[in-house]
Amino acid sequence: IAGITQAPTSQILAAGRRMTLRCTQDMRHNAMYWYRQDLGLGLRLIHYSNTAGTTGKGEVPDGYSVSRANTDDFPLTLASAVPSQTSVYFCASSSGTGVNEQFFGPGTRLTVL
Amino acid sequence: GQSLEQPSEVTAVEGAIVQINCTYQTSGFYGLSWYQQHDGGAPTFLSYNALDGLEETGRFSSFLSRSDSYGYLLLQELQMKDSASYFCAVAEGTYKYIFGTGTRLKVLA
Repeated sequence: IAGITQAPTSQILAAGRRMTLRCTQDMRHNAMYWYRQDLGLGLRLIHYSNTAGTTGKGEVPDGYSVSRANTDDFPLTLASAVPSQTSVYFCASSSGTGVNEQFFGPGTRLTVL
Repeated sequence: GQSLEQPSEVTAVEGAIVQINCTYQTSGFYGLSWYQQHDGGAPTFLSYNALDGLEETGRFSSFLSRSDSYGYLLLQELQMKDSASYFCAVAEGTYKYIFGTGTRLKVLA
């Protein structure tokens, strides 16, 4: 059982390039999330999805897009990367009910030069 | 605006008890969660409070007072492995979470 996986583990990207971060979960969770974590700023929600086919904006959505074609996958796309998007990106999933414990993936460290 | 305040750093010795406070100001409130994150790792869930009072899970307890917009995480019988960052998080809506900036706990031998 893998839980939740992310790819790539790390990436160095030239500014202006397009990049898609992948996230897959095998827990059949309804809800999925993308966060970025910057030093001293904690985790900030970028986008979320409460079920396949539905997405919503979080605290810092600008410059990012997501899609939720099925239950398991929730890719995050940077259409034209900028240096301020240098961060560690965490994908998470939850059942969407009750305590709604979030399970986090191992993260993707992205550097935009 | 929305904000969660927690101390940046706390230091304690092995075997001691430590309390990490969290005050919040958010547009909505469904519950307060706590997560632990070791350096280089992913956050892991510790506890959740939707109602006022104390929730206990082993050595960890979490408290919430909604009237005071305040909660805390209590760690007892501290162990070296508890050295990590601890984040409080408010569920503003069912799926919208605001995280605090984290408290770095250092446990000394």
